[in-house]
Amino acid sequence: EAGVAQSPRYKIIEKRQSVAFWCNPISGHATLYWYQQILGQGPKLLIQFQNNGVVDDSQLPKDRFSAERLKGVDSTLKIQPAKLEDSAVYLCASSLDLGLEQFFGPGTRLTVL
Amino acid sequence: GDSVTQMEGPVTLSEEAFLTINCTYTATGYPSLFWYVQYPGEGLQLLLKATKADDKGSNKGFEATYRKETTSFHLEKGSVQVSDSAVYFCALSDGSGNTGKLIFGQGTTLQVKP
Repeated sequence: EAGVAQSPRYKIIEKRQSVAFWCNPISGHATLYWYQQILGQGPKLLIQFQNNGVVDDSQLPKDRFSAERLKGVDSTLKIQPAKLEDSAVYLCASSLDLGLEQFFGPGTRLTVL
Repeated sequence: GDSVTQMEGPVTLSEEAFLTINCTYTATGYPSLFWYVQYPGEGLQLLLKATKADDKGSNKGFEATYRKETTSFHLEKGSVQVSDSAVYFCALSDGSGNTGKLIFGQGTTLQVKP
């Protein structure tokens, strides 16, 4: 069974530029999560989808971050404009349903210069 | 709000040494508790979990017991190997809403020397 796929694996941009990350969850998984992992810290949930609806986006900086999961399958996370403090690894995870085991992708490492 | 605190790293051990990584939590409701591992260059993997008080999770020689009275979930292994070198994260799930949201500790780096 294929795991959670993410792309790109690495991205370097300058501050004030925009960037987008893509995630394809495990087939059949209804729940999709985006986490931000800053160096030396644990992952922090940014947004959680159940199918194509948002369950929790309380920690998403909505002035610059946006995410969508239009068809309830793959998802895109966007940052516009990026700030230096957005440098982090962005992790996507999926689970069969709410409250079940989450499977993580390899992450996208973003560096903002 | 809910939170997880792990012991500071890095932890450096010789092969076959005993490992303990401390984890304590603060939570409302009845969270499930997890240990995740991140090997160099790889994604997070679930190592073990416990869903209620006094449960013991175990996998690959690692164990952790859900202690509600001390709000702890310490990770232990009797004899570590070089291949156990990784970053270990303690986490809890949202205990009040069952959304599955995970709250992580800051991670503890383990280095095992031959």
